[in-house]
Amino acid sequence: DQQVKQNSPSLSVQEGRISILNCDYTNSMFDYFLWYKKYPAEGPTFLISISSIKDKNEDGRFTVFLNKSAKHLSLHIVPSQPGDSAVYFCAASAPNTNAGKSTFGDGTTLTVKP
Amino acid sequence: NAGVMQNPRHLVRRRGQEARLRCSPMKGHSHVYWYRQLPEEGLKFMVYLQKENIIDESGMPKERFSAEFPKEGPSILRIQQVVRGDSAAYFCASSPNRGAAKNIQYFGAGTRLSVL
Repeated sequence: DQQVKQNSPSLSVQEGRISILNCDYTNSMFDYFLWYKKYPAEGPTFLISISSIKDKNEDGRFTVFLNKSAKHLSLHIVPSQPGDSAVYFCAASAPNTNAGKSTFGDGTTLTVKP
Repeated sequence: NAGVMQNPRHLVRRRGQEARLRCSPMKGHSHVYWYRQLPEEGLKFMVYLQKENIIDESGMPKERFSAEFPKEGPSILRIQQVVRGDSAAYFCASSPNRGAAKNIQYFGAGTRLSVL
């Protein structure tokens, strides 16, 4: 039972265009969502997050949108740059009294062509 | 402030040997998580620990795998009697105990285990 799904294993876009990465979840208890970026031979690094009380969070070229009714979130990167080429993981956590254990999707490999 | 440190970066073991993977969390972080990434797959949660306590080990295989986070020293992921299927990248992450950042995990560079 995969609670966080990234249905597109890969995405290719042209430099300067918009990249849209999608993520679906099934657990209605999730209340915090994160995107991580991973380069080869490195660990994932935190990119941007959103709480369930919001529907949008923006940080520079990166915007995350949350649609709670559809249990769907997306990451928009605009304009896309070749350095954005990496694997992007969506993650979700449920509220508890401790630091949040996250459930990760399988990742989407983004390739930005110059 | 050093990040999450994992060592070794690469580990080669023959079938039947033991593998010990170490993780030192970021300073001030009391929560440690271990993940495994098999080739062509995503990150799979294995275990969540606090100092001297296992909080959630629902992702740990029932046999041969164990984890600890002692009061002093790094967290250790131990794999006994390794098999070829254990070959993977093992990532450790840490997070702070409270505050707005408590949901964010900071990852190490991983240990790549190869079983011959």
